[in-house]
Amino acid sequence: EPEVTQTPSHQVTQMGQEVILRCVPISNHLYFYWYRQILGQKVEFLVSFYNNEISEKSEIFDDQFSVERPDGSNFTLKIRSTKLEDSAMYFCASRRQGAVYGYTFGSGTRLTVV
Amino acid sequence: SQELEQSPQSLIVQEGKNLTINCTSSKTLYGLYWYKQKYGEGLIFLMMLQKGGEEKSHEKITAKLDEKKQQSSLHITASQPSHAGIYLCGADRGGSEKLVFGKGTKLTVNP
Repeated sequence: EPEVTQTPSHQVTQMGQEVILRCVPISNHLYFYWYRQILGQKVEFLVSFYNNEISEKSEIFDDQFSVERPDGSNFTLKIRSTKLEDSAMYFCASRRQGAVYGYTFGSGTRLTVV
Repeated sequence: SQELEQSPQSLIVQEGKNLTINCTSSKTLYGLYWYKQKYGEGLIFLMMLQKGGEEKSHEKITAKLDEKKQQSSLHITASQPSHAGIYLCGADRGGSEKLVFGKGTKLTVNP
C-alpha cells in the first residue's frame, strides 16, 4: 500500500533556528497538506498546496512558515525561526484528485524546540 | 468554524464487547472521515462518508452518517486489543481543502 513518508521522525532544535520538515507524498497524488498536533490537542490544519502554489492556509501559517515542492517528489515545510510553541507533531498528507478519495497521512515528525 | 464534538472522550471495554463512538458537527457535514491514531504516531485512514444515510464497513468497524443530525457514529463489533488507539473524526466544509478534527476518543481494550 502506498505511503506518505516523512523525515526525520524526530527533530530537536534550538529556539530561533530554522527547521525543514520533509515529506514524500504518494506519487499520483496532486493535493498536499501540512497539519500539526500539539501534545494533547486537536490535529490542526496548516496549509494546502496544489498545482505548485498554496491553495489555502490557516491563521497559524504565518510568515514564519513556508512550503515548497522543490522537485517532483518532495514536499517541505520550513519554519524560519522556531519558537517554543512550535513544538508539536507535524503531519504531511496527500490526496488524489476527486472528492471521493480520502487524505493519506504520514507518520509525522515530532518537533521539539528547546 | 466547524466544530466537531466526539463522545465519549475515552472508553475502556473488555475484549469481545461492542462499542460506539459518536462525532457531532455544529455545521453541515459534506465529508466525514474517520482515522485511527496510535499514541505519538500517524493517522490511519479508516473510511470516508459523504452521503446522508451512508454506511461503510471495514473488517469489524462500521461507520454511519446521519446528515440530518449532523452526526456520524463508529461502531466496533467484538472489539480486540488491536482496536485500541485514538479514533478521530474529521470533516470538510465543502469548498475548502482543510479537514477539521475532533479531539478524539481514546479506546482501551482489555484482554
